[in-house]
Amino acid sequence: GAGVSQSPRYKVAKRGQDVALRCDPISGHVSLFWYQQALGQGPEFLTYFQNEAQLDKSGLPSDRFFAERPEGSVSTLKIQRTQQEDSAVYLCASSPPRGKEDTQYFGPGTRLTVL
Amino acid sequence: AQSVTQPDIHITVSEGASLELRCNYSYGATPYLFWYVQSPGQGLQLLLKYFSGDTLVQGIKGFEAEFKRSQSSFNLRKPSVHWSDAAEYFCAVASSGGYQKVTFGTGTKLQVIP
Repeated sequence: GAGVSQSPRYKVAKRGQDVALRCDPISGHVSLFWYQQALGQGPEFLTYFQNEAQLDKSGLPSDRFFAERPEGSVSTLKIQRTQQEDSAVYLCASSPPRGKEDTQYFGPGTRLTVL
Repeated sequence: AQSVTQPDIHITVSEGASLELRCNYSYGATPYLFWYVQSPGQGLQLLLKYFSGDTLVQGIKGFEAEFKRSQSSFNLRKPSVHWSDAAEYFCAVASSGGYQKVTFGTGTKLQVIP
């Protein structure tokens, strides 16, 4: 079956622009996670959804970052007034209901470059 | 707070040689442990995971890892490396309760020479 997909794969933004990154999880996956991976680093947790509820947003670096999953499926990560330090790969992962298979499946990521 | 340390930033091995990538974790209870591989421009692919039970875990592509509670380690091994194994490898830990907030190490980049 289809895996996690993300779009766009690459995004170049001028400093100060707003961007929106999309994640399509695997069908039926309840949990959805966003991670930020800076160059040469491991992914870092940003936020977690269970269905449409955002249960943890402790990793969002500033109030310029906003994520939503209004119907419990597709999720969008929005970054307002982008800064150069926002340049990174943004990874989305989804997983089935807890206890069924506690594994996160990752998408290919969106590489954001802020000029 | 949970954390993961991968002490080796780069490792170079010859094709056909054995491989061991080190991982140490910090977590209060019994953790969930993972190894992921990331090729350039690709997403993270799960190699193997440990939740409970047998401490020697077999994964895909001929990889295995051993959970050693006394050493807080979860080292990844492969008896004979192939050129296609060149990639970056991430060890990760997650809580065994609640939802799975995964903490990753900084990664080990593996280079394979002929």
